[in-house]
Amino acid sequence: GAVVSQHPSRVICKSGTSVKIECRSLDFQATTMFWYRQFPKQSLMLMATSNEGSKATYEQGVEKDKFLINHASLTLSTLTVTSAHPEDSSFYICSARFSGEQFFGPGTRLTVL
Amino acid sequence: QKEVEQDPGPLSVPEGAIVSLNCTYSNSAFQYFMWYRQYSRKGPELLMYTYSSGNKEDGRFTAQVDKSSKYISLFIRDSQPSDSATYLCASSNTDKLIFGTGTRLQVFP
Repeated sequence: GAVVSQHPSRVICKSGTSVKIECRSLDFQATTMFWYRQFPKQSLMLMATSNEGSKATYEQGVEKDKFLINHASLTLSTLTVTSAHPEDSSFYICSARFSGEQFFGPGTRLTVL
Repeated sequence: QKEVEQDPGPLSVPEGAIVSLNCTYSNSAFQYFMWYRQYSRKGPELLMYTYSSGNKEDGRFTAQVDKSSKYISLFIRDSQPSDSATYLCASSNTDKLIFGTGTRLQVFP
């Protein structure tokens, strides 16, 4: 139980395009989901906390107009990277909270050319 | 100063060795301490979870927290090649997890 999926697992896009990443809790409902970014050989950095039915809470330094988060249902949160640039290339990981624990998705590798 | 510091390694050990992984943290308000294992290009999976100080054992894994020195440890006994992964420590006092950079472990046969 407590499985979190992400789609797509890998995406390559051109600079200036927008990319949407989906995070789903498959066997539980999650009122709170989290979005992280991980650069090579660096730690996971929390980008934002996504709350079902309300606005996301962004960490300091994360542009909310660039990283759009929508948590429209108890099993789905989406992260849209708008007007992506090469410096946005990273590994994006979501997690969902269940029974006090965070369960992580498998991650999405974004490469912006 | 980072809130959670971790030696990135890599750490290479022979099969059967005892592995010691360590982190330090700076925020005395942290109450929850976790160790995650992350295989290449995968999301982290929770290995051990400890509240406040003390030891916790689960099979070949033992987690230790010393709040007086702000030191977190994970010990792996009888290490196996399948243990080869990156191990991340994390601390928090709320929902927000603060991760270390991760230590890459390689266990060779």
